[in-house]
Amino acid sequence: AQKITQTQPGMFVQEKEAVTLDCTYDTSDQSYGLFWYKQPSSGEMIFLIYQGSYDEQNATEGRYSLNFQKARKSANLVISASQLGDSAMYFCAMRGLYNNNDMRFGAGTRLTVKP
Amino acid sequence: DVKVTQSSRYLVKRTGEKVFLECVQDMDHENMFWYRQDPGLGLRLIYFSYDVKMKEKGDIPEGYSVSREKKERFSLILESASTNQTSMYLCASSPPGIGYEQYFGPGTRLTVT
Repeated sequence: AQKITQTQPGMFVQEKEAVTLDCTYDTSDQSYGLFWYKQPSSGEMIFLIYQGSYDEQNATEGRYSLNFQKARKSANLVISASQLGDSAMYFCAMRGLYNNNDMRFGAGTRLTVKP
Repeated sequence: DVKVTQSSRYLVKRTGEKVFLECVQDMDHENMFWYRQDPGLGLRLIYFSYDVKMKEKGDIPEGYSVSREKKERFSLILESASTNQTSMYLCASSPPGIGYEQYFGPGTRLTVT
């Protein structure tokens, strides 16, 4: 079975600084996708970034980048130049090739950006 | 604009009641999912469906069942609600394949008293 681990329940970062949110995963699938979602206090789930297991380059989307280290089974999210609006819950998720492409999430990290 | 809708934002039910949570998507997605979200536990997969009438158990299926009679609709059923099922329930849909993100509904906050 797939498992996602986010070991940081809460993180603080100063506005305009960069922050890394940790995510490790465990799977026996050879092909899988890794996702990060943001959930602000409004409760909506916002898709941020995707990394495929066979992608050689780390994914980037604006201020978001994914530090993918396949051998270590980690997929950390890096947010550059933090903004107050980045304060939210962040979830790491994985989708495997087998078992009909089900999707599992981690416990999440609550990020607070300080002015 | 893609959309996943859930029948209620807030629901209060009594212990022992049968509860139906409905989810509808308008994107013709094959895959649909039900999660519950609790503080400190993240999103836990209850059930998902990869096609009409097809379903798979997730990590916490006990006390729940699902129904998918039409492609656009996926229902979560609490056969006999209990207080430990008080939670936020999130529905999601997506195309099949590891490269596709999920689209989420707004969630239903269920309170069982």
